[in-house]
Amino acid sequence: QVQLVQSGAGVTKPGASLKISCKASGYIFTNYYLHWVRQAPGHGLEWVGLIDPSGTTTAYAQGFQGRVTMTGDTSTSTVYMELSSLRSEDTAVYYCAKSTGGTFDYWGQGTLVTVSS
Amino acid sequence: QSALTQPASVSGSPGQSITVSCTGTSSDVGSYNLVSWYQQHPGRAPKLIIYEATKRPSGVSNRFSASKSGNTASLTISGLQAEDEADYYCFSYAGSALYVFGTGTKITVL
Repeated sequence: QVQLVQSGAGVTKPGASLKISCKASGYIFTNYYLHWVRQAPGHGLEWVGLIDPSGTTTAYAQGFQGRVTMTGDTSTSTVYMELSSLRSEDTAVYYCAKSTGGTFDYWGQGTLVTVSS
Repeated sequence: QSALTQPASVSGSPGQSITVSCTGTSSDVGSYNLVSWYQQHPGRAPKLIIYEATKRPSGVSNRFSASKSGNTASLTISGLQAEDEADYYCFSYAGSALYVFGTGTKITVL
């Protein structure tokens, strides 16, 4: 069965960077794009970006351009999202989601990132 | 790349039908049928309930239906049940490998 297992929660300071992982299993890793979505406490879902797991294609939402980097490791079926220059507004649950034709059919369990001094 | 506009809240009594709108632009909702809808209960990951604007995944209740006209997509829940109380989000392709979510709608069952 398809599973997306994300790394655990983390606390980081303003200005620092954080890297979250999403390990996929149960399907052919390179056949489907993976997206990252975040949700700040009490707020809605926000699309962060996507990656072709082979690493040939990435696309980022305008608000994250220059601060986010998504990479993939086909040897471990894992994608990573690194967000830099963190600020308190980046405190959120970050989800990875498998995409089929622009639709999210499977989601990771979410990773809580807390940015606090 | 602005968020799609949804009403903040919609409520209805059990058994009633309610509709949630999702208004975008000619650059996203109006140009593509790649509109999906997600249901999210508190503390849970979102769940797909509609894809490609009008299609329902297997296992999703047929009380959920959707349509799209111009720049606006709509989700209808018929025979409202207590378990339908949740947040609902639309999501659309916006061209050039970019995507955008709706602002979200809280459904309350009275």
